[in-house]
Amino acid sequence: GAVVSQHPSWVICKSGTSVKIECRSLDFQATTMFWYRQFPKQSLMLMATSNEGSKATYEQGVEKDKFLINHASLTLSTLTVTSAHPEDSSFYICSVIAGWADTQYFGPGTRLTVL
Amino acid sequence: QQQVKQSPQSLIVQKGGISIINCAYENTAFDYFPWYQQFPGKGPALLIAIRPDVSEKKEGRFTISFNKSAKQFSLHIMDSQPGDSATYFCAANVQGAQKLVFGQGTRLTINP
Repeated sequence: GAVVSQHPSWVICKSGTSVKIECRSLDFQATTMFWYRQFPKQSLMLMATSNEGSKATYEQGVEKDKFLINHASLTLSTLTVTSAHPEDSSFYICSVIAGWADTQYFGPGTRLTVL
Repeated sequence: QQQVKQSPQSLIVQKGGISIINCAYENTAFDYFPWYQQFPGKGPALLIAIRPDVSEKKEGRFTISFNKSAKQFSLHIMDSQPGDSATYFCAANVQGAQKLVFGQGTRLTINP
């Protein structure tokens, strides 16, 4: 399977600031990456589909101006949470599609805490 | 119709026992069914997956049973160990559509 990394693994920021999270596909060229959000004890919620070289596709209810996604290369996608507020505190996870039947492989996640 | 319903929400099994987690779906277009294992503070890891053209797939202690007519599939963990304690998610998608639809998750605890 594909190996996916995320940076940082955790981040604490003040309300009103912006935070960038990186997702890297280490051994696979990913034309498509996904960004998920997971609240404690809940399932994964798809936020957006990140396509290399084009605009991301956001799920209904996800603010595209707040969650900026850039997929500038086949190995890197970034999620920027702009003007973060405490309600944006969550676990953010990216995934890439590789191999058989559109299998998704997930990164280790980034814990965002907004004070 | 896009939902995947997972049960139970939580499960406690004694060491050495069999853990069984069930999922049901409505969308007959789903044609790929993976299971993911997630430990606290970590991303989900692919455990095992099945296509609907087979009724069972086994990998080590993990088995997926698939009932196409009932639109149900389940994960069986044989000889459950404390290290299996984690949250398990079933999922489904339509090949080509790429998006995964996740179940609600099952928190499994294996008592020593």
